[in-house]
Parts: sequence; C-alpha cells; structure tokens
Amino acid sequence: GAVVSQHPSRVICKSGTSVKIECRSLDFQATTMFWYRQFPKQSLMLMATSNEGSKATYEQGVEKDKFLINHASLTLSTLTVTSAHPEDSSFYICSAAPGLEGSSPLHFGNGTRLTVT
Amino acid sequence: DAKTTQPPSMDCAEGRAANLPCNHSTISGNEYVYWYRQIHSQGPQYIIHGLKNNETNEMASLIITEDRKSSTLILPHATLRDTAVYYCIVRVAGSARQLTFGSGTQLTVLP
Repeated sequence: GAVVSQHPSRVICKSGTSVKIECRSLDFQATTMFWYRQFPKQSLMLMATSNEGSKATYEQGVEKDKFLINHASLTLSTLTVTSAHPEDSSFYICSAAPGLEGSSPLHFGNGTRLTVT
Repeated sequence: DAKTTQPPSMDCAEGRAANLPCNHSTISGNEYVYWYRQIHSQGPQYIIHGLKNNETNEMASLIITEDRKSSTLILPHATLRDTAVYYCIVRVAGSARQLTFGSGTQLTVLP
C-alpha cells in the first residue's frame, strides 16, 4: 500500500531556531501533500496544502512566513518552522494520496513531535 | 465537505465486535465516507472507505445506510491494539482534496 514517511519523528529545538520536517511519498508520486498540526487532546487541523512546483496554499490564521513549505519534487515536501517559539510545540503530520482522481485515500506520515524550549 | 457526528467515546470488550456509528445526514451524492484511526502519538491510519455499497477489507467492514445519511464501522474481533480515536470523514474524491477531521470517537477495548 501507499506509504508516507516523515522525518524526524521528534525534535527538540531552542526558541528562535528553525526546524525542517521532511515528508516523502515512498512508493507513489504526489502532486499535492497536506500538512496538519495537532495540539494535545485536539483533532488534526489543516495548516497548508503543498503543491509540487508552485506555492503552497495556507489555511486562515497560518503564517506563511513562519511555516515555509517547499514541494520541490513529486515525492518530497518539506515544512520549515522558522524562528520557533514554545507555542509552536505541537505534533506535525503530513499526508498525501496516489493518483490525481478517484477515491484514493490520503495516507499519513507518523508525525513529528516538535518541542521548542 | 459534509459534516459528521460521532459519539465521543465507546467501550468494547476484547474479542467482541466494535460497532462505531457515524451520522452524515448532509452528505452529497459525490462524497465518499472515509474512516481513519489514530493511535496515540501516531499519524492517522486509513481503514476503509465507500460511496454507497457496503465494503469489507482485512481491517474492518463499512456499512452505509441506503439513504447514505449514516454509516457504521465494524471491527469484527476487537483487540487491545484497536484502542484509538476513530474518525469518520466525508470527502469528495480526488487526491487534491484534503480531509477535515472532527473530534472522532475514542474507542477503548477492555480486557
């Protein structure tokens, strides 16, 4: 089945530094990938839609200059949290689906636990 | 995408069938019903999806009512490892379409 790999699984960084999270589709190509964020005891919230070869689309309230998304190839999207602050500590999850049409389900990475100290 | 309603929590005895309901009374004709689950501190795992016919795979069965306004996910023989939050999501087909997560149902399988 379709596999989405996310790296790193957990990262601890100091306030003010930047952190890059990678999301790879291992056995399929993905024109579109999605980035979600999940705070403790809450559901997943969509942050942005990553489009290969073009700019990402951000959800309302998500700062595009703080959460930089690059989708340089059909198998890799990266999310960079710039100038991280403790309030950015969260669980970040990416997802993608094979195929452009049809009902193919989205598959998710195992998430990245970010802790900003 | 149509909104879904799920009970916040359910318990099930190990080895018994777990039946998780979902209401999606405003679903439109081109929207599929997807089920995912999220085990603590992991990414969501795809379980099954369907449009109007009942579906079965190695993980679960999906029963969709004839009017498509509700569905039930059935885990035939629940194990402790099935303890998770289960999300029912309706979505139009197409990989460019994101999933909108609600609160889900916390299923606890009891020994």
